[in-house]
Amino acid sequence: DQQVKQNSPSLSVQEGRISILNCDYTNSMFDYFLWYKKYPAEGPTFLISISSIKDKNEDGRFTVFLNKSAKHLSLHIVPSQPGDSAVYFCAASEGNTDKLIFGTGTRLQVFP
Amino acid sequence: NAGVTQTPKFQVLKTGQSMTLQCAQDMNHNSMYWYRQDPGMGLRLIYYSASEGTTDKGEVPNGYNVSRLNKREFSLRLESAAPSQTSVYFCASSITLGLGETQYFGPGTRLLVL
Repeated sequence: DQQVKQNSPSLSVQEGRISILNCDYTNSMFDYFLWYKKYPAEGPTFLISISSIKDKNEDGRFTVFLNKSAKHLSLHIVPSQPGDSAVYFCAASEGNTDKLIFGTGTRLQVFP
Repeated sequence: NAGVTQTPKFQVLKTGQSMTLQCAQDMNHNSMYWYRQDPGMGLRLIYYSASEGTTDKGEVPNGYNVSRLNKREFSLRLESAAPSQTSVYFCASSITLGLGETQYFGPGTRLLVL
């Protein structure tokens, strides 16, 4: 049973436009959400996170939105750059378990 | 400051063979983790260690053992490899276990079991 879902395996966006990556979760006890970025042959690297007490967190070109009632979060990248081409993983944690549950990932391709 | 290092980078095993995947971190982190990544499955936690001397099972621990050798090193052992263990294995570390603690990942070990 996949508690964190990324239903789009891939996304293709033109350079300069907005990339929107989506993530849905089923466990209402999740209270912290993170996005990781992964290039081929490398380990994932932390990108941005959000606590369940917030609905938005922004860091430069990256913004994460959380809609708790819909159990949905999204990552917005504006403007998208070719170097953003990677696989993006959404992850969630529940405070009393201290473990991250990852989604299956979305491959983003930003073309010129 | 190398961060999280893993050895080997790539390994081919025959069914039934054993091997140990090594992981070390130089960030003085207390917590360490082992994940596997399979196509269409994301990253799944195999085992983790909240601190030196402690280990706990994750989501998919069957067929694996771990050792937290010291604060820096956390190894993953396959006693009798099976084709189902063909995967990419990632080690990670964080300052502590806790809400929102960022995990830092190594580059991965690609394992093929024939």
